[in-house]
Amino acid sequence: ELKVEQNPLFLSMQEGKNYTIYCNYSTTSDRLYWYRQDPGKSLESLFVLLSNGAVKQEGRLMASLDTKARLSTLHITAAVHDLSATYFCAGGTGTASKLTFGTGTRLQVTL
Amino acid sequence: NAGVTQTPKFQVLKTGQSMTLQCAQDMNHEYMSWYRQDPGMGLRLIHYSVGAGITDQGEVPNGYNVSRSTTEDFPLRLLSAAPSQTSVYFCATGRGSYSTDTQYFGPGTRLTVL
Repeated sequence: ELKVEQNPLFLSMQEGKNYTIYCNYSTTSDRLYWYRQDPGKSLESLFVLLSNGAVKQEGRLMASLDTKARLSTLHITAAVHDLSATYFCAGGTGTASKLTFGTGTRLQVTL
Repeated sequence: NAGVTQTPKFQVLKTGQSMTLQCAQDMNHEYMSWYRQDPGMGLRLIHYSVGAGITDQGEVPNGYNVSRSTTEDFPLRLLSAAPSQTSVYFCATGRGSYSTDTQYFGPGTRLTVL
C-alpha cells in the first residue's frame, strides 16, 4: 500500500526567499503529481513526473523526482505572495492510476 | 467545453438521509474517481471507474455507492448519511491507465451532515 508523506505541513516564508517542499513515498509509484489548492477551491495540476531524474519547471516552481530515494521535491525560487496556497503531492499506482495524496503543505508567503 | 462539473456545490443533510452527488465530464476520459477531503488528511480515494460499467473501491468506500452507465457521468450515492461523511467531495477524471497526463478535478461539493 502506497503511503505519501509531505513536509513541512506549514511553511511561512518571506517574499524573495527560496524553499523546498519534500514528498516521500513508501513503495514504487508509477508517477508523481503535484497540485496546488487555493482556499475553498479545487485542485490545479502543476506537474506530472514520470521517471527517475525527471525535472519540470514552471515559473518560480521546479519539481524533481528521485525514484531510488522515493523522494520528490517542489522547489520555490524567490517566492512571491501569489504562491500562497496549499501544495499537495500524490503518487499514482496500479493500472487505474489511483492517486494517494500527501497531507499537503500550506505555504504562506509574507510581504 | 465545461471540463469536469459537480452538483450541487453545497448540501446540508440530516443523519440518515440519502442523496446523490453528481459528476459529469465532457473530455471523453475513461477514468473517473471520487475523493473526499478532510482537514489535515489530504484527499482520500472513495471509488473509481476505469470505464463505463466498471467500478472499484478505493481507500474509504464504506457508506458510498457508485455506478457508471455512461462515459460522461459518475454519480456518488450516500445511502444513509452520517456526520462522519461531512467533508468536501471532489470528482476527478483522467485519460486512463497508461496516460502520462494529469488528472483533472471538479470544483467540489461541500457536504454537511447534521
